[in-house]
Amino acid sequence: GAVVSQHPSWVICKSGTSVKIECRSLDFQATTMFWYRQFPKQSLMLMATSNEGSKATYEQGVEKDKFLINHASLTLSTLTVTSAHPEDSSFYICVGKGGSDTQYFGPGTRLTVL
Amino acid sequence: KQEVTQIPAALSVPEGENLVLNCSFTDSAIYNLQWFRQDPGKGLTSLLLIQSSQREQTSGRLNASLDKSSGRSTLYIAASQPGDSATYLCAGPNNNDMRFGAGTRLTVKP
Repeated sequence: GAVVSQHPSWVICKSGTSVKIECRSLDFQATTMFWYRQFPKQSLMLMATSNEGSKATYEQGVEKDKFLINHASLTLSTLTVTSAHPEDSSFYICVGKGGSDTQYFGPGTRLTVL
Repeated sequence: KQEVTQIPAALSVPEGENLVLNCSFTDSAIYNLQWFRQDPGKGLTSLLLIQSSQREQTSGRLNASLDKSSGRSTLYIAASQPGDSATYLCAGPNNNDMRFGAGTRLTVKP
């Protein structure tokens, strides 16, 4: 089946630094990428939706200037957490969607901001 | 906007028991519903996907049902094992994306 990879799988950074998370669709073209985050013991919450070649659409309450999403190709989307703070520590999951309704989940990236 | 609710939030059972996890959703015009498993600190593993035209799906000891009219889905786990211990999430479509329930944290005691 289709596979989505994320890199890195985990990252620890200092407060104030920026972190980039890559999400790749390995054997299909992801026309749409969804970015979710999951705080400890909570469910997944949608952060933003990006379509290849277009600007991302952010959910209410998600700062677009803080969480920069780039979806420049059909196989790569990136999420950059700028000036990360401890409250940004979370599990970030990307989900790729191609031509069908099926969505493929990445394995997630655990971000810890010290 | 789709809202998904799961009960119970946590469940602890002895090994071998059959159990049912519940999921309810507000928008009955869904085209599918999906159940996932999540182990601590890990990503999501898709267990079962039920299309709107189906009433249930089975995979091994797992059986998921979907009742669109009542806005409910259940995940039935037969003969539970300690290895089934995990958090189980259900998710329904919301426009293009998915809305997740908060999950049921299952513990199966040996």
